[in-house]
Amino acid sequence: AQKVTQAQTEISVVEKEDVTLDCVYETRDTTYYLFWYKQPPSGELVFLIRRNSFDEQNEISGRYSWNFQKSTSSFNFTITASQVVDSAVYFCALRGAGGTSYGKLTFGQGTILTVHP
Amino acid sequence: SAVISQKPSRDICQRGTSLTIQCQVDSQVTMMFWYRQQPGQSLTLIATANQGSEATYESGFVIDKFPISRPNLTFSTLTVSNLSPEDSSIYLCSVARTGGANEKLFFGSGTQLSVL
Repeated sequence: AQKVTQAQTEISVVEKEDVTLDCVYETRDTTYYLFWYKQPPSGELVFLIRRNSFDEQNEISGRYSWNFQKSTSSFNFTITASQVVDSAVYFCALRGAGGTSYGKLTFGQGTILTVHP
Repeated sequence: SAVISQKPSRDICQRGTSLTIQCQVDSQVTMMFWYRQQPGQSLTLIATANQGSEATYESGFVIDKFPISRPNLTFSTLTVSNLSPEDSSIYLCSVARTGGANEKLFFGSGTQLSVL
């Protein structure tokens, strides 16, 4: 069975602070895929990143960066210099390999991020 | 990315009735999925909508309660039948773009259902 744990239920920061959202996963698959999504108050899920298990390079996209540590089964997400518009619920998700897993994501419980001006 | 239109965006329904949610994609996709997000909870996959054949349901979800249609490669509907307050959730349609190593899963804006 697969499992994604986002231990931080809510985080509150002041604008311009850096913030890291934690994600720990469990899977028996040797190949798997990890995702982060943002859900702003409007409700839609916005795709942020997809990481393959066989690619352990960390990634930076503007103010966003992701730290993939296979040894600790973690895929943490950092927002640098946070802004009010970053306020949202952030979900980490996992998909196993294989055709039958196509499109089937296991989501974490989500972390509510509030950025205060 | 993918442009996914979901209708209705929200609805309030009476117990015992049904609601049909539509999902339209801007281009053909092989696979479409329906997820449920219960209040304050994470997302759970309901089923995979297969074009030309019956949907594939995840454990805990059955066709009688959640009938799904997929008449073509750009459209699907999810019906939530015999509504009860426990069905109050956000229902989201999703599609997968590109296969294999570059697969990305995109979501519609969701349908917020409240059952009285």
